Amino acid sequence: DTEVTQTPKHLVMGMTNKKSLKCEQHMGHRAMYWYKQKAKKPPELMFVYSYEKLSINESVPSRFSPECPNSSLLNLHLHALQPEDSALYLCASSQRPGLDTDTQYFGPGTRLTVL
Amino acid sequence: KQEVTQIPAALSVPEGENLVLNCSFTDSAIYNLQWFRQDPGKGLTSLLLIQSSQREQTSGRLNASLDKSSGRSTLYIAASQPGDSATYLCAGLGDTDKLIFGTGTRLQVFP
Repeated sequence: DTEVTQTPKHLVMGMTNKKSLKCEQHMGHRAMYWYKQKAKKPPELMFVYSYEKLSINESVPSRFSPECPNSSLLNLHLHALQPEDSALYLCASSQRPGLDTDTQYFGPGTRLTVL
Repeated sequence: KQEVTQIPAALSVPEGENLVLNCSFTDSAIYNLQWFRQDPGKGLTSLLLIQSSQREQTSGRLNASLDKSSGRSTLYIAASQPGDSATYLCAGLGDTDKLIFGTGTRLQVFP
């Protein structure tokens, strides 16, 4: 199994809703990542979990809350989002963070629309 | 702060042409340089990874080179096909364990 799965594929939510994005990998990778990608822009790193601990938070607003329940699962909890948070949210994983051979594997993304 | 730029921003070519996509980065202290492909509205697919100690990597019709001293990487696509149409992103991995992405090149190969 060499894939990263993300659910849901599409999500529409109001500014008062609470929702969660889910990401899963079964490759035994020890690092997992959340990226945000706006249209025609490159992905921007949000969070990194390394060995199930939050290692990088790129000054993301608190309305985004990551969670790593175990080494295979990564969640992103959403609350009180703004319309400008509408984007493609990408999850990635890698085997050995910090090594020069480390390749990130990306999921298909969740297309989020905030009304 | 690492900045990664890609030239050209967009490229439209007929099938069969050999292509060169360029990537430049401001901080030469990178662990590796990776090239990804992204189809519209989809996730990223890793194409090639070049370690800082390497000069180039090849996979099928793709060849990527890295020159750390000049802060440049190129992706060479031989005998382009319509299926190669996508956005190509380069990304440098630095000592902060962050992957910094370039601005991307949107490629269209027409029959």
